[in-house]
Amino acid sequence: AQSVSQHNHHVILSEAASLELGCNYSYGGTVNLFWYVQYPGQHLQLLLKYFSGDPLVKGIKGFEAEFIKSKFSFNLRKPSVQWSDTAEYFCAGYSGYSSASKIIFGSGTRLSIRP
Amino acid sequence: DVKVTQSSRYLVKRTGEKVFLECVQDMDHENMFWYRQDPGLGLRLIYFSYDVKMKEKGDIPEGYSVSREKKERFSLILESASTNQTSMYLCASSLGVGGSETYNEQFFGPGTRLTVL
Repeated sequence: AQSVSQHNHHVILSEAASLELGCNYSYGGTVNLFWYVQYPGQHLQLLLKYFSGDPLVKGIKGFEAEFIKSKFSFNLRKPSVQWSDTAEYFCAGYSGYSSASKIIFGSGTRLSIRP
Repeated sequence: DVKVTQSSRYLVKRTGEKVFLECVQDMDHENMFWYRQDPGLGLRLIYFSYDVKMKEKGDIPEGYSVSREKKERFSLILESASTNQTSMYLCASSLGVGGSETYNEQFFGPGTRLTVL
């Protein structure tokens, strides 16, 4: 079955630390991958997306992600986090083989930043 | 900008009540989705619709139904609310059926936090 896995459920970092959140997907074919963020009390918004081309994707607020096809991974990175990055992060993916444009979400990673 | 609105931010209902959650999008999107979000479980798809009057079950459709009479509006119905349906409900929309860039990107509403007592 198609799935998207996020193995880190809760990550705690100090300000200025580097961040990497893991995301793995389990399906083949054409893949579209996304990272969404949900700040406390706010709705989900798109951080970045990968459809094709350059596997290193840059998003908003200094985030980037790298699509590594051989590892079925799409990890999210930021070189230096800020307190305002405290949020829940969701990886999501769409496979060209899935029905009607349905996206599969991972279980989310809660990021807490110590000031 | 795409705007997805949901009728209520907070809702409190009693067990056995019929509950309607409404979602409206203003960008002429073909696809609309209902998810529930629970801690540690991420987003789970309840139902989605790829056209007016068309619907498909998601991963957890039991206890829910949906209605899409107009393209811009997608309603989630809890026929007889139960306490295990206490959750955050998120509506989303996307441009169209997949394959092309941007077609699959989903835009989310602010969510409705439903409490069933």
